[in-house]
Amino acid sequence: KQEVTQIPAALSVPEGENLVLNCSFTDSAIYNLQWFRQDPGKGLTSLLLIQSSQREQTSGRLNASLDKSSGRSTLYIAASQPGDSATYLCAVKGTGGGNKLTFGTGTQLKVEL
Amino acid sequence: GAVVSQHPSWVICKSGTSVKIECRSLDFQATTMFWYRQFPKQSLMLMATSNEGSKATYEQGVEKDKFLINHASLTLSTLTVTSAHPEDSSFYICSARGGAFSYEQYFGPGTRLTVT
Repeated sequence: KQEVTQIPAALSVPEGENLVLNCSFTDSAIYNLQWFRQDPGKGLTSLLLIQSSQREQTSGRLNASLDKSSGRSTLYIAASQPGDSATYLCAVKGTGGGNKLTFGTGTQLKVEL
Repeated sequence: GAVVSQHPSWVICKSGTSVKIECRSLDFQATTMFWYRQFPKQSLMLMATSNEGSKATYEQGVEKDKFLINHASLTLSTLTVTSAHPEDSSFYICSARGGAFSYEQYFGPGTRLTVT
């Protein structure tokens, strides 16, 4: 059974800092890995999707890397802003049938002025 | 493109009653829809997967008679919580997959259910 863990559970940083969020998964047989953002009481916004054959994806100030063999992914946020404050979730899609996503527990980020 | 809506965004119901939540794909045909539940400060847990025109597949531990899922068309799936109890209070999120975006799931904004 796939298990996804995110560290840290919560993070508070001053504006302008570069930061790294970590995601680890137990079963390396994945189809892809996706990073989402969730604002309080809201649904999910997809940030980056990395296919199993890829090593990283970039979008603006965000960069996500994937090391499938070690079961790890990182989300790098450059020059953090207060508007980046949210919960960040990673999710992996297994190679089995059903296209099931297994979510991590999330990292709650607060960027302070 | 790839917009998914949910209705209502929040609902309060009395214990013992049933409540229906709708999930719609607005600009694509969703061959598959997923229903998740999220408790406060916890992650999303998949409840069931539904394919248009067929019965939903429920995850282990999810009561299919309590959480009725209907995916009658390519743009609409409904989740009905029957005989709701306070422990059913949660945030319910749907996602949809299909059409030109078939490799990715697109998530709705969620529905907050409170059972009193």
